Amino acid sequence: NAGVTQTPKFRVLKTGQSMTLLCAQDMNHEYMYWYRQDPGMGLRLIHYSVGEGTTAKGEVPDGYNVSRLKKQNFLLGLESAAPSQTSVYFCASTSLRRLSPSLRHFGPGTRLTVL
Amino acid sequence: EDKVVQSPLSLVVHEGDTVTLNCSYEVTNFRSLLWYKQEKKAPTFLFMLTSSGIEKKSGRLSSILDKKELFSILNITATQTGDSAIYLCAVDRSAGGTSYGKLTFGQGTILTVHP
Repeated sequence: NAGVTQTPKFRVLKTGQSMTLLCAQDMNHEYMYWYRQDPGMGLRLIHYSVGEGTTAKGEVPDGYNVSRLKKQNFLLGLESAAPSQTSVYFCASTSLRRLSPSLRHFGPGTRLTVL
Repeated sequence: EDKVVQSPLSLVVHEGDTVTLNCSYEVTNFRSLLWYKQEKKAPTFLFMLTSSGIEKKSGRLSSILDKKELFSILNITATQTGDSAIYLCAVDRSAGGTSYGKLTFGQGTILTVHP
């Protein structure tokens, strides 16, 4: 099993450009999450999904959109990137049947810089 | 609004020292508190605490929860340079019986251990 993978690992954007971050998991997990991490801020939840075709807003959803068309993939989109979206983005997944947070699987992260 | 606050925000010690990291929280419908270690990549799980006064221990690391005073501490004894990392505290809460595994994270404590 590859676990949780994220694509790309690094990206530099100019203000106003758009991009999509891909999170993929091969563990058949129902729940998936997107977090961002900024210095001194811990991890903050952007959006999450409890199953294929469903998404919901987290703490800091503004400026982002998500889609979960397939159970194994959770996409995070930036329609018009802003410097405030410079951050490290982490995806995570967990099983509905084993919802203990101690069993959360995190991806390796995507470092995004917006100039 | 749910809140998780860690202190100190950064700490520099020498090998062999003992450190205590603090995490206080104000959340509704508390379910569990988690500690993670993060070394330039995704967070790795350390402990999950659900009951007051019961110490969790793993090698030189230990943690305890006080649900009356709403805080937890993470102790590291005989620190080593490999303990240098960001230590994150997070709280899981239930909302109407379902929290969807959303976690609220603290800001993190940056620990630096010098040889």
